[in-house]
Amino acid sequence: DAKTTQPPSMDCAEGRAANLPCNHSTISGNEYVYWYRQIHSQGPQYIIHGLKNNETNEMASLIITEDRKSSTLILPHATLRDTAVYYCIVRATGGTSYGKLTFGQGTILTVHP
Amino acid sequence: EAQVTQNPRYLITVTGKKLTVTCSQNMNHEYMSWYRQDPGLGLRQIYYSMNVEVTDKGDVPEGYKVSRKEKRNFPLILESPSPNQTSLYFCASSLTATDTQYFGPGTRLTVL
Repeated sequence: DAKTTQPPSMDCAEGRAANLPCNHSTISGNEYVYWYRQIHSQGPQYIIHGLKNNETNEMASLIITEDRKSSTLILPHATLRDTAVYYCIVRATGGTSYGKLTFGQGTILTVHP
Repeated sequence: EAQVTQNPRYLITVTGKKLTVTCSQNMNHEYMSWYRQDPGLGLRQIYYSMNVEVTDKGDVPEGYKVSRKEKRNFPLILESPSPNQTSLYFCASSLTATDTQYFGPGTRLTVL
């Protein structure tokens, strides 16, 4: 699976949009971009994923650049409960390791009142 | 409610005393997996199972066993726990290996 790079930490004011970047310059054609978050030491929570088109669900939006080398997770109206570690994961859809999620260090997002 | 459950949530034990951490899902998922999380090392996959009676090693399988006798359950067995297995453990499941994985709440294990 391709490697991802995320900033170690970010801050956001409550009610504002949180934009979390992720670089995955070595992504290949069959690899999806997944986002999970982990609040304190709870189980990682799935947020969203995409292949090349932008995606939106009730939690967030995912913007993937045209060359697919980077993406941005957008939380449109951050709340204090969105404070968590956010993981960007690139995941293959085939091959011997296609079931595994490879978690990096993630971005610690702190939402301030 | 669709969920992955783990038991126990917290466990303190001593070196060499066999233990089992249970994992169960009610979503009829074929794929299940165990991860451990350690500070500075992220989550690492221990074992996974593609379906009933089909299991395989992940990145850090040493010291662990698993079984998949029925689709909903995927227990993690530590035959002779050691202090280096002190960690936070997560079970995950997905419909198939390529689908979105959903995680359990975690089991914090301390081996003295």
